[in-house]
Order: sequence, then structure tokens, then C-alpha cells
Amino acid sequence: DAGVIQSPRHEVTEMGQEVTLRCKPISGHDYLFWYRQTMMRGLELLIYFNNNVPIDDSGMPEDRFSAKMPNASFSTLKIQPSEPRDSAVYFCASGLGLAGAEWDFGPGTRLTVT
Amino acid sequence: QKEVEQDPGPLSVPEGAIVSLNCTYSNSAFQYFMWYRQYSRKGPELLMYTYSSGNKEDGRFTAQVDKSSKYISLFIRDSQPSDSATYLCAISTGNQFYFGTGTSLTVIP
Repeated sequence: DAGVIQSPRHEVTEMGQEVTLRCKPISGHDYLFWYRQTMMRGLELLIYFNNNVPIDDSGMPEDRFSAKMPNASFSTLKIQPSEPRDSAVYFCASGLGLAGAEWDFGPGTRLTVT
Repeated sequence: QKEVEQDPGPLSVPEGAIVSLNCTYSNSAFQYFMWYRQYSRKGPELLMYTYSSGNKEDGRFTAQVDKSSKYISLFIRDSQPSDSATYLCAISTGNQFYFGTGTSLTVIP
């Protein structure tokens, strides 16, 4: 298995532009999570899905952020419009259950908004 | 108050030392306790998982949970340069879950 796949690995964009991050979870995993990591705030849960359905999006910082999971093998996180404070590493993780014992993280997308 | 607190370090030890990494948490409802290891510019990877109180050992790594004190620890014996990474604790009720901010560890050859 190739593990959780994220693209792009790096994204540099200008403030105000739309950014779309992509994730392919591990086949068979029924949970998908989007996390954001910064030095100041650590790892923050943004949203998670169960069987493609958004369950908890309370971590999404603003309406500028949206996430979709149209099928079991694909999810997107969109930021529109992007701002410099959105600069962070965004991780996608997939797993079985919520206890955390079966989660696999992707390599992350490093986003820089100038 | 944060749900889980973790000393950010950084921690620097000589090769072969015993390393102790710790987290405290605030809510006794947490039942699942995890340690993730994150190498530079990589995603976190699950290292140890324990349920409820007690110890769990896996090679050079031992995870310890003290629910009465709301305190979890990760011990690394005979530390190696390859153990240099950031270690994040994570706690979960099964429906809610939180990560610590991570402790940066460097093992010096």
C-alpha cells in the first residue's frame, strides 16, 4: 500500500488566491482527517469524515476553509481566499475508528501564502 | 486550559541515554493514549498505543499511563541518533481526541 497520498507537497501562493489541497486515503479506511500544523499551535484538527460524511468541522477556522469528500478515495481542502496566516503544513490522515490507534498520516502539504 | 499539555523541549541527550517524555491531561474521560513520532518534514507515525492505565513495552520503548495523576510517559532506552524526532502525545475518549504540541528530541552520537 502506498499509504496516504497528498498533493501538492509544496504550494506557494499569493494572498487572495484559491488553494486546493488533495488527499487519497488508504483503501479500506473509513475515517479521514484534515490537520494543520504550525510551530505556535501544534497539530490542530480541522475536520474529519466518516464514510465520506463530514462529522465534525468545528476546527475549521473560518468560512474561507471548506472540505469535501466526494468518494472513499478522495478528499479536498480548499482555502478561498488564502491569507498569510494560513501558512502551515496541512496533513491528511486516514484510519479505522477514532481512538487513534489505526491512523496513518500523509506526508503533508507545506503551504506558504505571501 | 488545554486538554493536553506537553513540554516542548527541546531535549538533547547523548547516545545510549534513557529518555523520558511526558504529557499531562485534564479530563479523566480520556481512555486511549498514543505516542506519535514525527521526523523532520514528515507526517506523524504511530509509535505506541495504550488503553486505560498501565505500561506497554515495545522494544526500547515503554509507554506508561497513570490515570490517577492524569499523566502519560514515553521512555526510550538506549537512545539512538535515529530516535531524533519530535514526539507527540495524543489522547482520546473514542469520540474526541487531542494532540500535544510535541517534544523535540535530539540524540547526539
